[in-house]
Amino acid sequence: GIQVEQSPPDLILQEGANSTLRCNFSDSVNNLQWFHQNPWGQLINLFYIPSGTKQNGRLSATTVATERYSLLYISSSQTTDSGVYFCAVLYNNDMRFGAGTRLTVKP
Amino acid sequence: DGGITQSPKYLFRKEGQNVTLSCEQNLNHDAMYWYRQDPGQGLRLIYYSQIVNDFQKGDIAEGYSVSREKKESFPLTVTSAQKNPTAFYLCASSIRRRSGANVLTFGAGSRLTVL
Repeated sequence: GIQVEQSPPDLILQEGANSTLRCNFSDSVNNLQWFHQNPWGQLINLFYIPSGTKQNGRLSATTVATERYSLLYISSSQTTDSGVYFCAVLYNNDMRFGAGTRLTVKP
Repeated sequence: DGGITQSPKYLFRKEGQNVTLSCEQNLNHDAMYWYRQDPGQGLRLIYYSQIVNDFQKGDIAEGYSVSREKKESFPLTVTSAQKNPTAFYLCASSIRRRSGANVLTFGAGSRLTVL
C-alpha cells in the first residue's frame, strides 16, 4: 500500500516564527489534503491540494505531484496554531493519513 | 448548520461489553468513514461506506462492525472481540466524486475508555 511520511514529527516554535512541514508519499495520488487537529481532537481541513500552490491567510501549501511531496508553510505563527498537522492522500477509495507533525507555538 | 454529529463524546465500558458510537451527517455526503486514533498516532481506517447498504473494511476492521441503512447515518459498534478498544474514534464524510476530489469533513470524535 501507499506510504505517507511526515516530517518533522515534532516542532517547537516561538510565536512569530515561520515553519515548513513536509509530507512525502510513495505513489501517485490525485487527492491530497492537509488537516489541523486542535488540542480537543477536532480535525479541520486546511487545504485540498493534489497539485500546485494555494494560500489561505498565513498558511500556504504546495504539492509537487511528480516528485511525490507536499509542503505546508505557516508564517508568523501564533499560539492558536498549536496542534497536530496531518496530510492525507486518497488510495483505493479511502484517505490514508501520515503520522502527523506536532507543532507547539510558545508565547 | 451542516455538519457531522458524533455521540457520545465520552464513553466508559467494561470489558466484554459491546458499545455503539453514533455518527450522523446532514451534509448530504455520499461517503462516510470511521477512523481510530491512538495517543500520539495518526488515523487508521476501520470501515468506510461509499453508498447506502454497502461498506468495506479498512486496515483494522477486526472487532468492529458497521451498518449504513440511511445515507445520513453510519454507526460503529465496538464489540467485545476488539482486544484493545480504548481510543479516540473519528467519523468523517465526503462527497464522492469520480475525479477523486473527496474532501473529508470530520466530526468532533468519541473517546472510548475500557475499564
